[in-house]
Amino acid sequence: NAGVTQTPKFQVLKTGQSMTLQCAQDMNHEYMSWYRQDPGMGLRLIHYSVGAGITDQGEVPNGYNVSRSTTEDFPLRLLSAAPSQTSVYFCASKPGGGETQYFGPGTRLLVL
Amino acid sequence: SQQGEEDPQALSIQEGENATMNCSYKTSINNLQWYRQNSGRGLVHLILIRSNEREKHSGRLRVTLDTSKKSSSLLITASRAADTASYFCATGSGGSYIPTFGRGTSLIVHP
Repeated sequence: NAGVTQTPKFQVLKTGQSMTLQCAQDMNHEYMSWYRQDPGMGLRLIHYSVGAGITDQGEVPNGYNVSRSTTEDFPLRLLSAAPSQTSVYFCASKPGGGETQYFGPGTRLLVL
Repeated sequence: SQQGEEDPQALSIQEGENATMNCSYKTSINNLQWYRQNSGRGLVHLILIRSNEREKHSGRLRVTLDTSKKSSSLLITASRAADTASYFCATGSGGSYIPTFGRGTSLIVHP
């Protein structure tokens, strides 16, 4: 199993540009989530999904959209990037009956 | 807002010494997990302790949980340079599908 994969690894955007961060898992996990990690702030939950077709907001959802059309994929969309969205983004998944989260390697995003 | 808060924020020790980091949380939990993050990598699960457990061991790791004080500690015995990483606690509550992470403790182990 590849586990949780994220693309791209690194991205530079200009303010106002849009982009999609990709996340995929091959473990058939029901739950998937997106976090952002900023220095001194730990991990903050952006959006999460408890199954295909079901998403919900986390702690810091503004400026981000998600959808979950399949069990495997959970893309994160930035509609109009802002410098405040410069961060490292992590995707994670976990089985419905379990507690352990499996994390992807992260995407470093720089918004100029 | 973060549920768990780790203490200290940073810890620097010599190889062979023990490292202890603490996590305090605010509301009732079902379980508490510890994760490790090496520089530039994703988080990796280390150990989970349930609310009805007081202590758990895994190799050189020892986790304790005191629900009356709403706190947990992670002890790494006989630390190695490879233990250099950030360590995060994550709490799971009954009404939440996704665990909530703290800000982390940065551990540096000098060879």
